[in-house]
Amino acid sequence: KAGVTQTPRYLIKTRGQQVTLSCSPISGHRSVSWYQQTPGQGLQFLFEYFSETQRNKGNFPGRFSGRQFSNSRSEMNVSTLELGDSALYLCASRQGAYGYTFGSGTRLTVV
Amino acid sequence: DQQVKQNSPSLSVQEGRISILNCDYTNSMFDYFLWYKKYPAEGPTFLISISSIKDKNEDGRFTVFLNKSAKHLSLHIVPSQPGDSAVYFCAARVDNQGGKLIFGQGTELSVKP
Repeated sequence: KAGVTQTPRYLIKTRGQQVTLSCSPISGHRSVSWYQQTPGQGLQFLFEYFSETQRNKGNFPGRFSGRQFSNSRSEMNVSTLELGDSALYLCASRQGAYGYTFGSGTRLTVV
Repeated sequence: DQQVKQNSPSLSVQEGRISILNCDYTNSMFDYFLWYKKYPAEGPTFLISISSIKDKNEDGRFTVFLNKSAKHLSLHIVPSQPGDSAVYFCAARVDNQGGKLIFGQGTELSVKP
């Protein structure tokens, strides 16, 4: 069974640009969550999608958005990138109430 | 407001001995707790979890203990192996907030041969 797939693995963007990250959950998993990991703030919850609907949102500015498609694949978008957005972005998929499985992440560097 | 805290940034243990990683929390609404192991530039790997209705869960070398009155959980690794060297995160969930996990800051475990 394939795990959670995140693309791309690495990305370098310039301040002010926007970026889109992709996450393909484990087959059959309908819930996808996104997290940001930085050295200073640790792992922080961004948002969760279930059946194409956002169910929960963390304390991030509106520049961070996401969506989920009918096949459960999810994308997150960050607009007007800032240096502080440099981080490892992680996606997790879930089946039922438990069993959170994380992908390997996308390392975003903003220069 | 950090609801989940891992107060020890690092821990060094001799191979074969017990590793004990600690985690404290403040939110009494947490109903489910998880431990993850993480290497740099990779996603967290699930280790073990415990529901708030239990006080202990065991899986091979890993045991998690939950003390609800003290709002404290711990992960015991026995015996510790060099391959266990990584950063360990505890995470907690509030039932009615679905997929939202709140993570501690992590403890870097080093197991020396």
